[in-house]
Amino acid sequence: SQTIHQWPATLVQPVGSPLSLECTVEGTSNPNLYWYRQAAGRGLQLLFYSVGIGQISSEVPQNLSASRPQDRQFILSSKKLLLSDSGFYLCAWSVLRLAGPDTQYFGPGTRLTVL
Amino acid sequence: EDKVVQSPLSLVVHEGDTVTLNCSYEVTNFRSLLWYKQEKKAPTFLFMLTSSGIEKKSGRLSSILDKKELFSILNITATQTGDSAVYLCAVVGGGSNYKLTFGKGTLLTVNP
Repeated sequence: SQTIHQWPATLVQPVGSPLSLECTVEGTSNPNLYWYRQAAGRGLQLLFYSVGIGQISSEVPQNLSASRPQDRQFILSSKKLLLSDSGFYLCAWSVLRLAGPDTQYFGPGTRLTVL
Repeated sequence: EDKVVQSPLSLVVHEGDTVTLNCSYEVTNFRSLLWYKQEKKAPTFLFMLTSSGIEKKSGRLSSILDKKELFSILNITATQTGDSAVYLCAVVGGGSNYKLTFGKGTLLTVNP
């Protein structure tokens, strides 16, 4: 069966510090991978998605970046965090099918607080 | 731009009540609508709907899609305190990357 891992679970960082959040998927190959952010009282906002190694699409302008160094690894980074980067970060995966839409499955999330 | 609007934003009921959560959408090249339940952490998948008028059912939860009127409802009968959560609606549309556009969710609180 497929599982998705995220770490760390909780992170408190000072403004201006770097960030690296990691997501890995087990039990499937060539998944689509997604990073979402959920700010307090708001819905999930798609930040990045990837359909393959080294292929990253950005949905919103921001000071975050994403990388996919391996097939089942997705990393979210920042060189300098802002207060507005605080939120709940969720990684998700889906398997591309030739016909029809597919369902995204979410990891446990990382709660980031920038102080 | 794809848009998903959920209502109500929050709802408080007593155990045993039946609730209906609403989701309306505007999306280019609609592919599917998904419902998720989010308790303390990650959303967990409930239903995926692609065709109008076909009810999906799982225990006390059921959902149906109306592609003509562009909405879906999620029904929960005989609610229990364990149903307390945020219920998220999302649509998949446009392109080939299956991006989800989420609504803001409905916070359901079931009191004993």
